[in-house]
Amino acid sequence: AQKVTQAQTEISVVEKEDVTLDCVYETRDTTYYLFWYKQPPSGELVFLIRRNSFDEQNEISGRYSWNFQKSTSSFNFTITASQVVDSAVYFCALYPRSGGATNKLIFGTGTLLAVQP
Amino acid sequence: ETGVTQTPRHLVMGMTNKKSLKCEQHLGHNAMYWYKQSAKKPLELMFVYNFKEQTENNSVPSRFSPECPNSSHLFLHLHTLQPEDSALYLCASSPLAGGSGETQYFGPGTRLLVL
Repeated sequence: AQKVTQAQTEISVVEKEDVTLDCVYETRDTTYYLFWYKQPPSGELVFLIRRNSFDEQNEISGRYSWNFQKSTSSFNFTITASQVVDSAVYFCALYPRSGGATNKLIFGTGTLLAVQP
Repeated sequence: ETGVTQTPRHLVMGMTNKKSLKCEQHLGHNAMYWYKQSAKKPLELMFVYNFKEQTENNSVPSRFSPECPNSSHLFLHLHTLQPEDSALYLCASSPLAGGSGETQYFGPGTRLLVL
């Protein structure tokens, strides 16, 4: 089965706190891609990061960091020193590359992050 | 204009109306997608177009009719919709479809309410 699980439905933090959003995926494919998107109240999904299955290096971009661990099938996202503007729904997504033209981007159900001032 | 644009941003329609959603991408991509996002549900892929050809129809009811006249434009024609079709409809584009997991870039969506 191809699946993405974001067990945290809602998280509320106070500004400047660090917060980690969990993502666990399932796939039988050896080649796949993982993504994180941010959806602010305006509705648009904003691309944050793409990672392929052969690259397990963690990545840091400003206050954002991602921890990819194949051993636990997880791709967690941490926001350091959160800000009110980080309030949004965050989606983790999996693109299993089984071959062919019908591969699909599989989304989790999202985590609503509320950062209180 | 940059990125992916969608019009209208909001739409209210009756069940007997006919309307169309428009999507335009300014990224030089060759693949375009329609997604449906309902409350408390994962995003649902509806249609995929690659080089103007439809490559995916995810068992979408015929009251939704897509059209892709060129790689930059995508339409979703709506007719005789049901209240349960009320949702956020998102358009996306990527360099290719079914390739090496190219990143999909999304538009702001059209919030549709069917009365």
